[in-house]
Amino acid sequence: AAGVIQSPRHLIKEKRETATLKCYPIPRHDTVYWYQQGPGQDPQFLISFYEKMQSDKGSIPDRFSAQQFSDYHSELNMSSLELGDSALYFCASSTGGAYNEQFFGPGTRLTVL
Amino acid sequence: SQQGEEDPQALSIQEGENATMNCSYKTSINNLQWYRQNSGRGLVHLILIRSNEREKHSGRLRVTLDTSKKSSSLLITASRAADTASYFCATDASQGGSEKLVFGKGTKLTVNP
Repeated sequence: AAGVIQSPRHLIKEKRETATLKCYPIPRHDTVYWYQQGPGQDPQFLISFYEKMQSDKGSIPDRFSAQQFSDYHSELNMSSLELGDSALYFCASSTGGAYNEQFFGPGTRLTVL
Repeated sequence: SQQGEEDPQALSIQEGENATMNCSYKTSINNLQWYRQNSGRGLVHLILIRSNEREKHSGRLRVTLDTSKKSSSLLITASRAADTASYFCATDASQGGSEKLVFGKGTKLTVNP
């Protein structure tokens, strides 16, 4: 079965650079979520989209922005990167609704040097 | 504030034994999900239990939910070395239709061969 695809899987950037993470949800899933997991931490919700509109926002820095496109894939744009942005970034997709599972992608490991 | 808290934080058992992990949460929920994460890897969805369900089984997994105590437990029976991973509970903090997940701190399970 198709799963959530994230690219790139690994990314190394310098401080103050920008990064773009991509997420391709499971076919027919219309809701995408982004989470950040720091080393040894639990995943923290960043932002979500439903039918290409932002549906919720969590602890996402103003330096980050995201959008969902017409084909439902989503991109997380991160600017002025800081050392503390080093983390695993997960994308999850679902068909929405209160009783639907969220399926996670393999994550993008971002390292900021 | 942290929605989910898990205990124990770490659990080490022998192959063949059962492993029980507990999760507590603070607010009302629509569902509670359990995920497994191998070190630094993606989150694998294990099971979802709805707020109107009390127990659910999937293979060697048994999940219970007590909404009056705002707690859940995950039981892995006849554990295997391959079950070694971190296990997270996640609750949906559904407000205004958002189904973002709030994760607990996780339990690190080690199954010794």
